[in-house]
Amino acid sequence: EAQVTQNPRYLITVTGKKLTVTCSQNMNHEYMSWYRQDPGLGLRQIYYSMNVEVTDKGDVPEGYKVSRKEKRNFPLILESPSPNQTSLYFCASSGGGPDTQYFGPGTRLTVL
Amino acid sequence: ELKVEQNPLFLSMQEGKNYTIYCNYSTTSDRLYWYRQDPGKSLESLFVLLSNGAVKQEGRLMASLDTKARLSTLHITAAVHDLSATYFCAGRNYGGSQGNLIFGKGTKLSVKP
Repeated sequence: EAQVTQNPRYLITVTGKKLTVTCSQNMNHEYMSWYRQDPGLGLRQIYYSMNVEVTDKGDVPEGYKVSRKEKRNFPLILESPSPNQTSLYFCASSGGGPDTQYFGPGTRLTVL
Repeated sequence: ELKVEQNPLFLSMQEGKNYTIYCNYSTTSDRLYWYRQDPGKSLESLFVLLSNGAVKQEGRLMASLDTKARLSTLHITAAVHDLSATYFCAGRNYGGSQGNLIFGKGTKLSVKP
């Protein structure tokens, strides 16, 4: 089954404790992206990747890191999480650019 | 920098009625996207509009793009309860990085019997 998976789905952590949210797709898509969703703000793009080893900042990259060493995986790293990174995070992928994206189920992160 | 504005942000409709959601954008965007999010769920891609005058339809939803007016519309025909969801539009920065998308805040649609 074609899908985008994210782990963990839910996470409660404390300020400053490094964490990684994984994202994996099985559709051989070149494009992958991370978004955060906050009430009243809609979706905002954090980082995206046009292909392996090619990443670029979205609108809200501060406090996040990404890497794209393999085509299927695009982890989101929070080196020192802060409470303002409490949010719902979505990973997405598509073939050849951001058209017709497939979204993962979401990761709800709470930073205390 | 591209800005995307949707209106209305909230829409309560009766079943069987027609309505339109508007998506205005501030600068040139070479394509426009529409997404749907059911309550508590992830997002689903609905339409990709690539050029001026583009029209796409699926079921009771029809999306169009007017690049000169910098406007896209999502028209709902004879609404049914199953269409209750939040709808987002997004534009891609033209001339900027090809993967950067800017989303509107979303329109929460509630269809009542």
